[in-house]
Amino acid sequence: EVVLTQSPGTLSLFPGERATLSCRASHSVSSSHLAWYQQKPGQAPRLLIYAASTRATGIPDRFSGSGSGTDFTVTISRLEPEDVAVYYCQQYVVSPLTFGGGTTVEIK
Amino acid sequence: QVQLVQSGAEVKTPGASVKVSCKASGYTFTNYVINWVRQAPGQGLEWMGWISGYNGNTEYAQKFQGRVTMTTDTSTSTAYMELSSLTSDDTAVYYCARDLTVFGASHVFGIWGQGTMVIVSS
Repeated sequence: EVVLTQSPGTLSLFPGERATLSCRASHSVSSSHLAWYQQKPGQAPRLLIYAASTRATGIPDRFSGSGSGTDFTVTISRLEPEDVAVYYCQQYVVSPLTFGGGTTVEIK
Repeated sequence: QVQLVQSGAEVKTPGASVKVSCKASGYTFTNYVINWVRQAPGQGLEWMGWISGYNGNTEYAQKFQGRVTMTTDTSTSTAYMELSSLTSDDTAVYYCARDLTVFGASHVFGIWGQGTMVIVSS
């Protein structure tokens, strides 16, 4: 099983600041089979990024993804109040599909 | 528009079974895989398995093997997830999520249902 470790657990920033969220895999995630989801309070998750760096339809360009192998990152270039959420990474290279524990993004 | 609408909340006693439905609209049901993911209160996401809308093929996470059954009814574009021998550890929100790619099994969850709360309590 591929274990995904996300850091930090919580990120608290001012509006307009840059947010960098990390996801580290216990085994290499080949072909960048790594996705990111955003879950706002009380809502279902929403796909943000797949194939490590491809934004899903309708996702603002302030969100970007990068990485390969075992280390992946999602960056929010200028944090906005509506970005308050928990962000999860997910690998889909091998079964069982697994998620990271999540990073909570808060606004100061 | 593409959407997945799930059945309402359930309260079950330990040892019982629950069956959650996920009705699809806005796309050709048989062209996509449906996954099931659950989330215990205050916890992260856990993948349970998937079912093909095309031929009913399934893959279940080993943790749920023998306890979970996923089915589809193509006449109503509905997917079902039944979980048996419930314990309090199964208390969670259960989500269905459609695969991102047509006919492929990308295992990227592009569209999500609104979730169904299942409470297991005596």
